[in-house]
Amino acid sequence: DTGVSQNPRHKITKRGQNVTFRCDPISEHNRLYWYRQTLGQGPEFLTYFQNEAQLEKSRLLSDRFSAERPKGSFSTLEIQRTEQGDSAMYLCASTEGFPHNEQFFGPGTRLTVL
Amino acid sequence: AQKITQTQPGMFVQEKEAVTLDCTYDTSDQSYGLFWYKQPSSGEMIFLIYQGSYDEQNATEGRYSLNFQKARKSANLVISASQLGDSAMYFCATPGTGNQFYFGTGTSLTVIP
Repeated sequence: DTGVSQNPRHKITKRGQNVTFRCDPISEHNRLYWYRQTLGQGPEFLTYFQNEAQLEKSRLLSDRFSAERPKGSFSTLEIQRTEQGDSAMYLCASTEGFPHNEQFFGPGTRLTVL
Repeated sequence: AQKITQTQPGMFVQEKEAVTLDCTYDTSDQSYGLFWYKQPSSGEMIFLIYQGSYDEQNATEGRYSLNFQKARKSANLVISASQLGDSAMYFCATPGTGNQFYFGTGTSLTVIP
């Protein structure tokens, strides 16, 4: 197992465009998290999946953000009509079992909105 | 809602010395856990150590230990025998209500040769 992978690693887009990121978790992990991290801050929780079910979504998350995990394996995060304030690192993490288990993080996708 | 506070934006430590990174939390849950993660300049988040609220012993993992003071709601990370490779951002985190997960703002540690 090679760990959590994310693609692309970097994305530059123009304001107003849609972008989609992909996360491939560790294969046996049923729990998957998406976070956003801006410079000088800790990761900010965005959403959580258990298998294919999206069980939690941050109240701070704009309606322009949507995430899926169609078969309980990989997940996608889409941002519609991007804004400059969406520029950040988007991190994916996976874990198994109970919430006290450590999360394994991917390398992140750095989004720059021009 | 759960909240993590890390009051030290930056810390310096001499190589081979010990350093303590502070973390306080606010929760109304009876059962909870505290995590510490390291984020080097390369960006990946690396799990370091976990403390459960009902654990009677302070957690230890190699050179990392947790000074857990439940009554004070603090879970400070102690790094012993600092190495140059310990220079990184350090984040304290805890699960929130439901399935959310909260991170602090982090502490930047610089190890001086």
